[in-house]
Amino acid sequence: QLQLQESGPGLVKPSETLSLTCTVSGGSISSSGYYWGWIRQPPGKGLEWIGNINYSGNTYCNPSLKSRVTISVETSKNQFSLRLNSVTAADTAVYYCSRRQGASSFRDYWGQGTQVTVSS
Amino acid sequence: QSALTQPASVSASPGQSITISCTGTNNDVGVYNYVSWYQQHPGKAPKVMIYDVNNRPSGVSNRFSGSKSGSTASLTISGLQAEDEADYYCSSYTTSSTWVFGGGTKLTVL
Repeated sequence: QLQLQESGPGLVKPSETLSLTCTVSGGSISSSGYYWGWIRQPPGKGLEWIGNINYSGNTYCNPSLKSRVTISVETSKNQFSLRLNSVTAADTAVYYCSRRQGASSFRDYWGQGTQVTVSS
Repeated sequence: QSALTQPASVSASPGQSITISCTGTNNDVGVYNYVSWYQQHPGKAPKVMIYDVNNRPSGVSNRFSGSKSGSTASLTISGLQAEDEADYYCSSYTTSSTWVFGGGTKLTVL
């Protein structure tokens, strides 16, 4: 059974960089045909797609965040990561990592989510 | 990119059926069959209920079904049960090679 687990600081100061890692267990992140992505949810609000990456490192990001977002994959650790720089209070959210099957809208596995608060 | 449009809330009694709409544009829902629906209970991660417009993952009740007409996708839940009470989100692929979500619909089972 595939499992995804987010990890990273729960508190980030304004203007600094938010860094999260998603560790994949029960399967290989290097398997072709999958996209690994990040989605966030501000308190009391809806879901927002941040971006995704495939096993070969091809990335796609939300245009509204593109200038601040870096998504990378580390196959040796079976992990992928999110970096969001110059954060503000508007970046406070629960951040989820997920897997999507390629050529499909099927996001079949999700992490439990991790709360990140931006505050001084 | 603009969020897909969903009603903020819907409600119905147990046993009844409801339909949640998800309206996009000719840059997303209207051109791709990559529309999915997610159920989210409070404090939990989203769970996919429908993918690629009308496909149901293994383990999801056949009371859940999806459809699409033009730029509007729909999720129908028949035989409502108390456990269906949750937030529901649609999502679509876009012509910019990105993904967009709807604003979410709160389903209340009366």
